[in-house]
Amino acid sequence: DAGITQSPRHKVTETGTPVTLRCHQTENHRYMYWYRQDPGHGLRLIHYSYGVKDTDKGEVSDGYSVSRSKTEDFLLTLESATSSQTSVYFCAIKNSQETQYFGPGTRLLVL
Amino acid sequence: AQKVTQAQTEISVVEKEDVTLDCVYETRDTTYYLFWYKQPPSGELVFLIRRNSFDEQNEISGRYSWNFQKSTSSFNFTITASQVVDSAVYFCALSKTSYDKVIFGPGTSLSVIP
Repeated sequence: DAGITQSPRHKVTETGTPVTLRCHQTENHRYMYWYRQDPGHGLRLIHYSYGVKDTDKGEVSDGYSVSRSKTEDFLLTLESATSSQTSVYFCAIKNSQETQYFGPGTRLLVL
Repeated sequence: AQKVTQAQTEISVVEKEDVTLDCVYETRDTTYYLFWYKQPPSGELVFLIRRNSFDEQNEISGRYSWNFQKSTSSFNFTITASQVVDSAVYFCALSKTSYDKVIFGPGTSLSVIP
């Protein structure tokens, strides 16, 4: 347990609405990540952060933005949700042994 | 480019059988890390093992063992005397030292039948 929580754990929203997912960690890790997991695609990196206000894009960043104003929080925002963004979203941290630990996941359904 | 291949999409075994999950990786780096993660039906992602490229010793942890062979770029995972609780999706992953990202394989879904 790397002290990672995600909120909300489940969300149903409508197409076109903004959605923000929160990842919170308690162990002061520098690196944080957002992934989405879809059948047939495994885990795909959306965005990641290597420090406060330092973020970069992953392989599937279109339609997503992130912010990290504090070490412990990494926010993922869907500015205008689409049905293709229905997925399970995982947050992760990377510790000093280069190992990623994951949060419990958020199930998002966009209708 | 870095890549992780898990050729076995789905495996089904009968309880108490041994099963090996294959992982082949591609990297041009001489220093890197390899990982295995487990995702049970409940959905969480559980870290199992990390191995760095300088350590080719096989590792055993209870019923789990890992065989790392740089010569074949493989990092295979064996479960001995499988149990129903081993049913999960298993992901192999690769990261180079001090690199920001981890590359995940597509996963192998293991079903252990009682």
